[in-house]
Amino acid sequence: RKEVEQDPGPFNVPEGATVAFNCTYSNSASQSFFWYRQDCRKEPKLLMSVYSSGNEDGRFTAQLNRASQYISLLIRDSKLSDSATYLCVAYTGGFKTIFGAGTRLFVKA
Amino acid sequence: EAGVVQSPRYKIIEKKQPVAFWCNPISGHNTLYWYLQNLGQGPELLIRYENEEAVDDSQLPKDRFSAERLKGVDSTLKIQPAELGDSAVYLCASSFGGKGDTQYFGPGTRLTVL
Repeated sequence: RKEVEQDPGPFNVPEGATVAFNCTYSNSASQSFFWYRQDCRKEPKLLMSVYSSGNEDGRFTAQLNRASQYISLLIRDSKLSDSATYLCVAYTGGFKTIFGAGTRLFVKA
Repeated sequence: EAGVVQSPRYKIIEKKQPVAFWCNPISGHNTLYWYLQNLGQGPELLIRYENEEAVDDSQLPKDRFSAERLKGVDSTLKIQPAELGDSAVYLCASSFGGKGDTQYFGPGTRLTVL
């Protein structure tokens, strides 16, 4: 079992839709969590950190459920420009950063 | 502010040849990472440096891969000899600290081994 698992998708949604991605992690000692965005043939870039209390940044909401060991990313009012791969990241004890395989999102007009 | 710089951007070599990748992190960032990313997968850590010290190289195939970060700034990742399965994108990232700080990635080097 991979330490960080994501639904690979792809998710195909129309503009304006709401879409949610889940990610599970196996190491209960994981301390910090992030969502990165990666455009095709580009480098990953930080989208947002995930806090225990949940956090929101415009149309994006991230939540953490430590009891069930999963994090989620909700995108509201999807835009064409949201089309990308979304990488779930867990930072574990021992200073290890583990990336999930990514979930591909296609937003269509 | 300049981001993470990597070179070359693309490299095509024949198997059994050596290859080297170079990375210049963001100024002031103490932690430097080398990742390997295969198509359809997330980045996989090869080695992490805190200043000039390699603090996590458990995933680095040491029989053919080597890395160095002299003076705690620039870093070089080398493969010798390259194998077909080494074809991938090699990403360098840096962060201010190593404890969960945001990582900033360079554009990567796309390696093709023929």
